[in-house]
Amino acid sequence: DAGVTQSPTHLIKTRGQQVTLRCSPKSGHDTVSWYQQALGQGPQFIFQYYEEEERQRGNFPDRFSGHQFPNYSSELNVNALLLGDSALYLCASSFDFDRSGNTIYFGEGSWLTVV
Amino acid sequence: KQEVTQIPAALSVPEGENLVLNCSFTDSAIYNLQWFRQDPGKGLTSLLLIQSSQREQTSGRLNASLDKSSGRSTLYIAASQPGDSATYLCAVNWGTNAGKSTFGDGTTLTVKP
Repeated sequence: DAGVTQSPTHLIKTRGQQVTLRCSPKSGHDTVSWYQQALGQGPQFIFQYYEEEERQRGNFPDRFSGHQFPNYSSELNVNALLLGDSALYLCASSFDFDRSGNTIYFGEGSWLTVV
Repeated sequence: KQEVTQIPAALSVPEGENLVLNCSFTDSAIYNLQWFRQDPGKGLTSLLLIQSSQREQTSGRLNASLDKSSGRSTLYIAASQPGDSATYLCAVNWGTNAGKSTFGDGTTLTVKP
């Protein structure tokens, strides 16, 4: 049973560029959430996708956008990159509301460095 | 504002010691609380999930407790081993949305041989 997979694992971008990160959820899961984790801090919720729609959003600017595909995989896009966007980006998958104890599973993350 | 706090930020213990990690949260109306482990540069591994109706959960040498009235959860690790060295994160759900959790900043544990 494949867990949550993310790509790429590491990437370096220049300020002002755009980046796309990808996530495949755990088999059977239909909900994908994205988190940003700065060094030494806990993950912060960016947004969540369910049924190909953004369902909830954290306190992140519109430069952060996403997409979910019919097979439940998801992309996170960040435009006009800033130095402060350098972080570990984590994808989490789960079932929809209130099923299976609501355990969430995380991928290994994508390390983004903006120079 | 719903917040999660973990103190201390770092903890160092000798091998074999029993230890307790703390997690505090504002707003006692939680739906569930989950403990994770994170190794350096890696993703998060789920350790234990406690529903709001439960008082504790156990898995091997790990025991997590929940006291909603005081806004606290503890993760007890028995007979610590060097392989337990990692950052431990506490995440709280205040709604039924499984994927939207609020995390503390974690406690980095070092177990010395």
